[in-house]
Amino acid sequence: AQRVTQPEKLLSVFKGAPVELKCNYSYSGSPELFWYVQYSRQRLQLLLRHISRESIKGFTADLNKGETSFHLKKPFAQEEDSAMYYCALMGSGGYNKLIFGAGTRLAVHP
Amino acid sequence: DAGVIQSPRHEVTEMGQEVTLRCKPISGHDYLFWYRQTMMRGLELLIYFNNNVPIDDSGMPEDRFSAKMPNASFSTLKIQPSEPRDSAVYFCASSTTSGANVLTFGAGSRLTVL
Repeated sequence: AQRVTQPEKLLSVFKGAPVELKCNYSYSGSPELFWYVQYSRQRLQLLLRHISRESIKGFTADLNKGETSFHLKKPFAQEEDSAMYYCALMGSGGYNKLIFGAGTRLAVHP
Repeated sequence: DAGVIQSPRHEVTEMGQEVTLRCKPISGHDYLFWYRQTMMRGLELLIYFNNNVPIDDSGMPEDRFSAKMPNASFSTLKIQPSEPRDSAVYFCASSTTSGANVLTFGAGSRLTVL
């Protein structure tokens, strides 16, 4: 079964501090992993996906198949990063089923 | 393109009443998803359609919930009868097979059942 676990409901940091939002997944095949973000009063939107291997707004995420993790990282947090972050998994097999974790709220304080 | 359009944006109803949430996906998208967002459980996939056909409804909580997609530009999620525990934000999202598996979300419908 597909499962995504985000162990932290809330992560609170000061501006300029490093950030790591944890995500672990359970899937027997080769998954595709995503991070979606929801800023206050905005729609849920894609932040990044592992196959793109890109940095978006200073965030990066590396897929670690050995640890089945896809942690989201940023070296220096900004106040505008405050939002709800969801890790998501899409399994292989031809179906577009996207399963989300419970989400982590990131609060960046000045 | 106005994106994924959901209505109503807010709905307040009393327990036992029927609730119908509506969604218009992005034109040309062949997948449509309904999610429910709560503080406790985050985003839960309720059901999704491909080419108007329901593919997986295993996330639908119980028989009180039903979803339809009569054509490529419209879907409904119905709750009958509604209960206070159904209070949540319901999101519709759409995607396309050629769209790199990226979902575009609507603004959501906030449901409050008193």
